[in-house]
Amino acid sequence: EADIYQTPRYLVIGTGKKITLECSQTMGHDKMYWYQQDPGMELHLIHYSYGVNSTEKGDLSSESTVSRIRTEHFPLTLESARPSHTSQYLCASSDRDRGLNEQFFGPGTRLTVL
Amino acid sequence: QKEVEQDPGPLSVPEGAIVSLNCTYSNSAFQYFMWYRQYSRKGPELLMYTYSSGNKEDGRFTAQVDKSSKYISLFIRDSQPSDSATYLCAVMKTSYDKVIFGPGTSLSVIP
Repeated sequence: EADIYQTPRYLVIGTGKKITLECSQTMGHDKMYWYQQDPGMELHLIHYSYGVNSTEKGDLSSESTVSRIRTEHFPLTLESARPSHTSQYLCASSDRDRGLNEQFFGPGTRLTVL
Repeated sequence: QKEVEQDPGPLSVPEGAIVSLNCTYSNSAFQYFMWYRQYSRKGPELLMYTYSSGNKEDGRFTAQVDKSSKYISLFIRDSQPSDSATYLCAVMKTSYDKVIFGPGTSLSVIP
């Protein structure tokens, strides 16, 4: 089982609140990712990082922001949550030195914005 | 056109059945083909991958790629209730490229 953790697992929050979804990995991986997953839809990459102080936006436009101050930590922040942000958020990491860009996923955070 | 397409199911089979899960992709530049398995309330995990065309077998699982038709298959022999999960196919152009996932097929194996 992958050593990548996400908290909280479930979050129900009101519109306009600021939230931070936590993601940590203990595998020393350089690359980390945030995906959004909705039922019946493909995983959409919303942010990624290739190392400390490196962050990039993914393919899916997102109002969230990320930071990468430490190798093991890649939090995602929503400044003002809206019902359209309701989704499953998956954090993943991968090792640049492996032969394949295998993604190791956390268990996900299911966010509901009322 | 979506880059990777899968029938979302759900697919329900009796225990012991042979299961065939399929995917199509649109870009002939993809060279790496993966299957991820996602159990309920968990993140996906890599099940197996193949490079270019051909078959790859791992226990009860066989992955098959036909690049000429841009078709990817995963076969599960002697399916077990523990195989009940969502199976996502994924593709990459190179081994270090970003991963593009399909929407997944939900499988239930009934005892």
